[in-house]
Amino acid sequence: SQTIHQWPATLVQPVGSPLSLECTVEGTSNPNLYWYRQAAGRGLQLLFYSVGIGQISSEVPQNLSASRPQDRQFILSSKKLLLSDSGFYLCAWRPTGATNEKLFFGSGTQLSVL
Amino acid sequence: QKEVEQNSGPLSVPEGAIASLNCTYSDRVSQSFFWYRQYSGKSPELIMSIYSNGDKEDGRFTAQLNKASQYVSLLIRDSQPSDSATYLCAVTRSSNTGKLIFGQGTTLQVKP
Repeated sequence: SQTIHQWPATLVQPVGSPLSLECTVEGTSNPNLYWYRQAAGRGLQLLFYSVGIGQISSEVPQNLSASRPQDRQFILSSKKLLLSDSGFYLCAWRPTGATNEKLFFGSGTQLSVL
Repeated sequence: QKEVEQNSGPLSVPEGAIASLNCTYSDRVSQSFFWYRQYSGKSPELIMSIYSNGDKEDGRFTAQLNKASQYVSLLIRDSQPSDSATYLCAVTRSSNTGKLIFGQGTTLQVKP
């Protein structure tokens, strides 16, 4: 069966520090991968999505970047965190070529930038 | 105008009642519609999907879609305290990328 792993679960970082969040998917090949962010009391905002290794699409201009160095690995990064980067970050995946758009979410990372 | 709009609530209903959650979307080419449930501090969990006009029932949940009115709703019958959560409406336009656009969510409180 397929599983998605996301870590760390919580993170407290000072303003200006770097960030690296990692997500891996097991039990499937060539998944579509997504990074969402949820600010306090808000809905989920799509940040990045990837349909294959090295293929990253950015949805909103921001202080973050994403990379997909391996088929089932998706990394969210920042060189210098801002206060506004605080939020709940969720990685998600979907089978490539699926006829529906059901997303499967990781457990999330609660990021607090102080 | 937001692409997907929901009343943030909270919506409060007594145990055993029907909870009605509503969602409107702005893009007429939206193809697929989803309801996710999210408990505080947890990731969203898919509870219903609907693709064509009409009603779709799954246990105590019924999703309703009206593309002409650009409206989708979720009914929860016999509401239980364990249904207390935030319900997120999501829509997608493209089946290729799977990009979901979420509303801000409606908080439901079911009181015993």
